[in-house]
Amino acid sequence: DTAVSQTPKYLVTQMGNDKSIKCEQNLGHDTMYWYKQDSKKFLKIMFSYNNKELIINETVPNRFSPKSPDKAHLNLHINSLELGDSAVYFCASSLRVNTEAFFGQGTRLTVV
Amino acid sequence: QKEVEQNSGPLSVPEGAIASLNCTYSDRVSQSFFWYRQYSGKSPELIMSIYSNGDKEDGRFTAQLNKASQYVSLLIRDSQPSDSATYLCAVSRNAGNMLTFGGGTRLMVKP
Repeated sequence: DTAVSQTPKYLVTQMGNDKSIKCEQNLGHDTMYWYKQDSKKFLKIMFSYNNKELIINETVPNRFSPKSPDKAHLNLHINSLELGDSAVYFCASSLRVNTEAFFGQGTRLTVV
Repeated sequence: QKEVEQNSGPLSVPEGAIASLNCTYSDRVSQSFFWYRQYSGKSPELIMSIYSNGDKEDGRFTAQLNKASQYVSLLIRDSQPSDSATYLCAVSRNAGNMLTFGGGTRLMVKP
């Protein structure tokens, strides 16, 4: 059983479209995250959810919105996609804040 | 100044040697420190966590933390070609949740 799973693995879409990436964890963790890894491989935190409450919202465009229906799921919605949004997006979870995070397999988003 | 800094490398070591990877961080209130390994095209996987000053050993890996110097390192003994990957240092504060990553060091272990 995959601990942190995200879908889809690959996503190719045109500029201006709206898309979603889903993430689920079966570890019983309280905290989930979304990270963006750009072409230079730098991992930057985008959002962090603890017990369904947003506790960090980094300075990302408001076209990006996290949605958490329950503590096992944290989905990422992106509106009006731009070329610069092309990156690999990783979902992760941790038992609680400031403990080790476990990553999903990543979603490679390509905006054309 | 970046919050978490690593030399991007590549760091090239011969098989069997000790690889030494370094990381410095800027926030003195940082409490939790992690090393992740990331193979090309794969997701980061946790290798070590360390929370207090000193050394922590796990198999061929040793993490070293010096909070006074704001420095954390990872030593890999008996390096293997399979250790070739990018190693990411991550640092977290107590307040809120700021698991911040460095840019990673690419390690190449030559047979």
